[in-house]
Amino acid sequence: GAVVSQHPSRVICKSGTSVKIECRSLDFQATTMFWYRQFPKKSLMLMATSNEGSKATYEQGVEKDKFLINHASLTLSTLTVTSAHPEDSSFYICSARLQESGTEAFFGQGTRLTVV
Amino acid sequence: QKEVEQDPGPLSVPEGAIVSLNCTYSNSAFQYFMWYRQYSRKGPELLMYTYSSGNKEDGRFTAQVDKSSKYISLFIRDSQPSDSATYLCAMSFYGQNFVFGPGTRLSVLP
Repeated sequence: GAVVSQHPSRVICKSGTSVKIECRSLDFQATTMFWYRQFPKKSLMLMATSNEGSKATYEQGVEKDKFLINHASLTLSTLTVTSAHPEDSSFYICSARLQESGTEAFFGQGTRLTVV
Repeated sequence: QKEVEQDPGPLSVPEGAIVSLNCTYSNSAFQYFMWYRQYSRKGPELLMYTYSSGNKEDGRFTAQVDKSSKYISLFIRDSQPSDSATYLCAMSFYGQNFVFGPGTRLSVLP
């Protein structure tokens, strides 16, 4: 299957600072990437859909000024958590849709964010 | 009614058992159905992908889709302790976002 690489896998930051998470499709081009948040023992909650070269589409209740998404190329999308608070601590996962089929999605390894 | 429903478990089975995991959904427009396996603190891994109704087999895994009943299943034969994980069903229609079930936690006991 296609490979999606997410970095870093784990990050600890202080309250008030910003953290950037990268999501790369390694062996395919992805016009669409998705960002999810997952709470312990819960399913994936879609935060936003990232489209290459255009603004991301955020789900209801997700603050776009807090969770900045940039999809500057067909292989890279970034999520920046700005002015992080302890309640932002979570597991963040990206996925990318294969450009050709538009149906299968492959996930990154996830990023465990802890805000102290 | 939730768009996708899935028994959260936990489901515990002995090694070698046949496991049946299921999801029901409400939107008849869904055409693409997927099963993902997620180990603790890892991203989901695509296991099976099925278009429309029918069966698909890959090694010990069989995915079934019954669109008339809006019901999908994943069967795991000869289950192994390494199969212990959370299994997420997901579905979409072309060009649209994926909708995930809440996941079923499976434990295969040696």
